[in-house]
Amino acid sequence: DAMVIQNPRYQVTQFGKPVTLSCSQTLNHNVMYWYQQKSSQAPKLLFHYYDKDFNNEADTPDNFQSRRPNTSFCFLDIRSPGLGDAAMYLCATSGNPGQEGISEPTDTQYFGPGTRLTVL
Amino acid sequence: DQQVKQNSPSLSVQEGRISILNCDYTNSMFDYFLWYKKYPAEGPTFLISISSIKDKNEDGRFTVFLNKSAKHLSLHIVPSQPGDSAVYFCAASAGDYKLSFGAGTTVTVRA
Repeated sequence: DAMVIQNPRYQVTQFGKPVTLSCSQTLNHNVMYWYQQKSSQAPKLLFHYYDKDFNNEADTPDNFQSRRPNTSFCFLDIRSPGLGDAAMYLCATSGNPGQEGISEPTDTQYFGPGTRLTVL
Repeated sequence: DQQVKQNSPSLSVQEGRISILNCDYTNSMFDYFLWYKKYPAEGPTFLISISSIKDKNEDGRFTVFLNKSAKHLSLHIVPSQPGDSAVYFCAASAGDYKLSFGAGTTVTVRA
């Protein structure tokens, strides 16, 4: 089945120690997103890629970076995690209606299972 | 400033009865609305959506209603089943590839 995969599902890091979270997709979607979600809150968009074009949200801290080496993979790098960065990190994708096999509107996003980040 | 609001953090309903979840938005540029369902330790799963050119969309037990003049949408689940116990997120898009989410409503279906 086509899907969005995130690794690891659980990540523990130390305060200030860089960490990388991974997302891959088999949907061949051209847009990939990273969200941060804290308990009882709405998912907060950090940034997204439209193909190779990176789009950062204005309030995303510089501590958060992203890489998209190809269509299938996208990484979230947290350069110096603080205690406040402990959260669930969600990856999502959406497809361009012009792409073969994509029938849903672009705005429907499909999420991975998330990575729960703990900062000690 | 949160543009999508779900004012009820929780809802408890008896199995077999109707669940009604509500969502309000403030941005008049939103033209596409979605509901997602989330189980603990999993990512949100797309449930149903509606375009602003419609006022109702139905998919099995799930129906979404949109009232553009009131900037309000609702999700009806009939009949409610134990497997429907989850957190439901309302989301909206202005056609810019981004979604604005509400904070979620936790639904508990009692046997």
